[in-house]
Amino acid sequence: GAVVSQHPSRVICKSGTSVKIECRSLDFQATTMFWYRQFPKQSLMLMATSNEGSKATYEQGVEKDKFLINHASLTLSTLTVTSAHPEDSSFYICSARDSLSGNTIYFGEGSWLTVV
Amino acid sequence: GIQVEQSPPDLILQEGANSTLRCNFSDSVNNLQWFHQNPWGQLINLFYIPSGTKQNGRLSATTVATERYSLLYISSSQTTDSGVYFCAVQRGGSEKLVFGKGTKLTVNP
Repeated sequence: GAVVSQHPSRVICKSGTSVKIECRSLDFQATTMFWYRQFPKQSLMLMATSNEGSKATYEQGVEKDKFLINHASLTLSTLTVTSAHPEDSSFYICSARDSLSGNTIYFGEGSWLTVV
Repeated sequence: GIQVEQSPPDLILQEGANSTLRCNFSDSVNNLQWFHQNPWGQLINLFYIPSGTKQNGRLSATTVATERYSLLYISSSQTTDSGVYFCAVQRGGSEKLVFGKGTKLTVNP
């Protein structure tokens, strides 16, 4: 089946630095990818919709200047957490829709971000 | 926006038992998916089931779209079934998946 790969799976960074997370669709093209954030023992909250070749659409309350999203190709979207703070520590997970398989949405493995 | 409610929030089973997880949604949807999140965070797609019934091994799911609910059945549960089960829906015209809060399943040996 369709595979979505995320990298890195775990990252620790210092406060004030930036960190980039990659999301790749390995065997299908994805014009749209999605970025979610999940706090411990909570559900997934959509942060933004990443559109290939255009600007991302952010959900209400998500700082677009802090969470930079780039979708430069049909198989890659990146999320950059800029000037990270400890409260940005969370589990970030991306997803992509494979329109050729009946619109099923597949998720990456997720990335654990810890800001110290 | 659309509301997705899952029940029960927590479920503890002995290995070999059967269980039913429920997902209610507040409006019509054109996509409903069940996911299993393992202890490492990986979300595994179980079913794409906007309507009807599907089965995959020990798991099956039924969605009654007209009554706005879906059920996930787990038979002969195993310890590896432990984790959080999420229901997520998508409304017509939107590509966004809205998640319920999940059911945390613990299967004890």
